[in-house]
Amino acid sequence: GAVVSQHPSWVICKSGTSVKIECRSLDFQATTMFWYRQFPKQSLMLMATSNEGSKATYEQGVEKDKFLINHASLTLSTLTVTSAHPEDSSFYICSARDWGQGNTEAFFGQGTRLTVV
Amino acid sequence: GDSVTQMEGPVTLSEEAFLTINCTYTATGYPSLFWYVQYPGEGLQLLLKATKADDKGSNKGFEATYRKETTSFHLEKGSVQVSDSAVYFCALRTNAGGTSYGKLTFGQGTILTVHP
Repeated sequence: GAVVSQHPSWVICKSGTSVKIECRSLDFQATTMFWYRQFPKQSLMLMATSNEGSKATYEQGVEKDKFLINHASLTLSTLTVTSAHPEDSSFYICSARDWGQGNTEAFFGQGTRLTVV
Repeated sequence: GDSVTQMEGPVTLSEEAFLTINCTYTATGYPSLFWYVQYPGEGLQLLLKATKADDKGSNKGFEATYRKETTSFHLEKGSVQVSDSAVYFCALRTNAGGTSYGKLTFGQGTILTVHP
């Protein structure tokens, strides 16, 4: 199947700093990527939908100024957590649709564990 | 809105036992249904899927049948292995258009532990 790569796999940052997470589709073009957040022992919650060349669509309750999403190319989307606080500590996962596969499947990155201290 | 409800875990089984993880959903229209598996420290992998009523998805000995009348997509395996220990997520995708086309709604996940 198609490969989606996230980087970094884990990051520890100080409170008040910003952290950027990259999501790349390695062998296909992804006009749409999705960013999820997963709390311990809970499900994945969709944060936003990232569309190449346009502004991201954020889910209700997600602060767009805090979670900046940029989808500048067909293979790369970035999520920047600005002025991070301990409550932002979580597991962030991106996914991308391979439109060439008939719109039937989404591929997930391996996730990024963010710890804010 | 759309929602997915999974049976609460964790589920602990002995090797070769029969597995059922219940999943029910609420959605408008005719969603596609999925089971994803997450092994420790890894991202999600698609396990199986079904795109219309009465379809049966199957992979690696796991099966699930899309039951529209009961709005369910229960996951089953006849004989589990230690290597099946993971977190299993049921999910749906509505096929309506719009800027969020393709987004998935997940259940809360079920932790499965299989002992030798």
